[in-house]
Amino acid sequence: EPEVTQTPSHQVTQMGQEVILRCVPISNHLYFYWYRQILGQKVEFLVSFYNNEISEKSEIFDDQFSVERPDGSNFTLKIRSTKLEDSAMYFCASSERGKGTQYFGPGTRLLVL
Amino acid sequence: AQSVTQLGSHVSVSEGALVLLRCNYSSSVPPYLFWYVQYPNQGLQLLLKYTTGATLVKGINGFEAEFKKSETSFHLTKPSAHMSDAAEYFCAVTPGGGADGLTFGKGTHLIIQP
Repeated sequence: EPEVTQTPSHQVTQMGQEVILRCVPISNHLYFYWYRQILGQKVEFLVSFYNNEISEKSEIFDDQFSVERPDGSNFTLKIRSTKLEDSAMYFCASSERGKGTQYFGPGTRLLVL
Repeated sequence: AQSVTQLGSHVSVSEGALVLLRCNYSSSVPPYLFWYVQYPNQGLQLLLKYTTGATLVKGINGFEAEFKKSETSFHLTKPSAHMSDAAEYFCAVTPGGGADGLTFGKGTHLIIQP
């Protein structure tokens, strides 16, 4: 069964460093999403992406965040200058169409020191 | 804007007993509603969803949920709990005709007692 994959599974970085989280969505899906889950808190929507542009973003998704689909398979989330409060589990998701079921990857646990 | 409230951060039931996980939502437009399950160290797996049509929806692993508009609820049930059901359960909502990001509840940790 097709699934969303994410790399790395864990990332440790120093405050102020740039990180790139990578996702490979399900191959025929057209809509892509990033969510985060701070430890002990609920899953929060960050951004959705369709047709090579952001379709929706939350208040969390400020200028330090960016997303990109650099090729036909990868979907990335970049955090330009990490802060301690960026430590969280980051989930990528994809759906075949808008309003379709979102399938989630296993997540990347980011720890900012 | 929409929101989701899950009553009870932890629910404990005996193996074989009824499972009831509560979810209430608020949405200014007709919602799409979802239940996801998260096993330890894994991603979110869709259990079931409601978009339109029949208000009682059946999902995987014997779970079902009923959309009750008058009560703004979408409670998750399973007649007989199994040890393998122990996990974190998340209710989520998205506006049916608007933005597509999911709004999640805080989650309910389901504990199954032998």
